[in-house]
Amino acid sequence: GEDVEQSLFLSVREGDSSVINCTYTDSSSTYLYWYKQEPGAGLQLLTYIFSNMDMKQDQRLTVLLNKKDKHLSLRIADTQTGDSAIYFCAETDSGGYQKVTFGTGTKLQVIP
Amino acid sequence: GAGVSQTPSNKVTEKGKYVELRCDPISGHTALYWYRQSLGQGPEFLIYFQGTGAADDSGLPNDRFFAVRPEGSVSTLKIQRTERGDSAVYLCASSRLINTGELFFGEGSRLTVL
Repeated sequence: GEDVEQSLFLSVREGDSSVINCTYTDSSSTYLYWYKQEPGAGLQLLTYIFSNMDMKQDQRLTVLLNKKDKHLSLRIADTQTGDSAIYFCAETDSGGYQKVTFGTGTKLQVIP
Repeated sequence: GAGVSQTPSNKVTEKGKYVELRCDPISGHTALYWYRQSLGQGPEFLIYFQGTGAADDSGLPNDRFFAVRPEGSVSTLKIQRTERGDSAVYLCASSRLINTGELFFGEGSRLTVL
């Protein structure tokens, strides 16, 4: 079955760039996603990338996809304290519908 | 409402009791999902509805778990004979039928089984 893995924790200083990494196993993934979960809140989609793309940029966010290595990363430029949250990598199932499988999450701590 | 609504937000019950968790999706969203999130883990898929029918229930851990969506809108997750290991946050999400797969999540129902 599908498996999505992430490192558990990342600490950066305010103003620096953050890079959160993810590896996945399903080579047939259609879309890959980054969701953000703030304390006491539901998950919110940050950005996504279609599997035929290598890179997507959206303001401070840059997503890089290496399909050969099944590696996805999220770069946050000029990280702010409000970026402190848990970030989940996710992928769609290859079964033709939209079951989404999530990773274990990376907790980002931004130090002022 | 504008977002996905889940009730109750918190439920404390005793081992062996029956529990129902309710999800009211965004109006017009035909797809509805239930996930379970344990402390320090990512959301774990339970079941997915397309309209009234369960398109994929492969994530339900055992036959104590059951979910319905009789009119294609509100869904209820039902847990019989609850066990301490069922304690988790149960997340509901909805999405449009054909889209990028973006899920809109509710804030979850925190279940504690004593």
